[in-house]
Amino acid sequence: QKEVEQDPGPLSVPEGAIVSLNCTYSNSAFQYFMWYRQYSRKGPELLMYTYSSGNKEDGRFTAQVDKSSKYISLFIRDSQPSDSATYLCAMSGTSGSARQLTFGSGTQLTVLP
Amino acid sequence: EAGVTQFPSHSVIEKGQTVTLRCDPISGHDNLYWYRRVMGKEIKFLLHFVKESKQDESGMPNNRFLAERTGGTYSTLKVQPAELEDSGVYFCASSPGTQLREPLHFGNGTRLTVT
Repeated sequence: QKEVEQDPGPLSVPEGAIVSLNCTYSNSAFQYFMWYRQYSRKGPELLMYTYSSGNKEDGRFTAQVDKSSKYISLFIRDSQPSDSATYLCAMSGTSGSARQLTFGSGTQLTVLP
Repeated sequence: EAGVTQFPSHSVIEKGQTVTLRCDPISGHDNLYWYRRVMGKEIKFLLHFVKESKQDESGMPNNRFLAERTGGTYSTLKVQPAELEDSGVYFCASSPGTQLREPLHFGNGTRLTVT
């Protein structure tokens, strides 16, 4: 079983839609949760960073973490064609090998104009 | 500020040959990481340098892989001899410190194809 599960998509939405991306995980040692955006042929770029449970908002992006359910989400409001990319969840813990980033497989998102 | 630079962007080699990948981190970043994504899999951790020292190399798949960071600046990752299953995208990342809240800055990766 993978430590982090992420629906690979692809996900296609019209411009202006609200997008919901999700990951589940099994390792209770994870404390730090991140969302990366990756454009084609580019490296991952950090979008959102959350520590432990709760919500964090940054512009059109909202990250949610529910540690009791081992479930994290990224919401994109008023989606734009420029949001078309692969979105990767990643997480890490506080000790030993858990300090490494563990990635989900990524969800490919296309926002249609 | 220049980002993390990786060279080459793409390498095609035959099974059994040697390939060396290079990473130049952001200036002043003591921490340098190698990750890779093989076909159809997730991005996985390979190793972590703090300056010139290997802090964690638990993700290195086998002894065909050798990473160095002489002088604590750029790093190289050598694969010798390369096998078919080594094909994938190799990412380098850097960060200034080791606080977990500090983001990793990734390069654009080296796409390695072993034929």
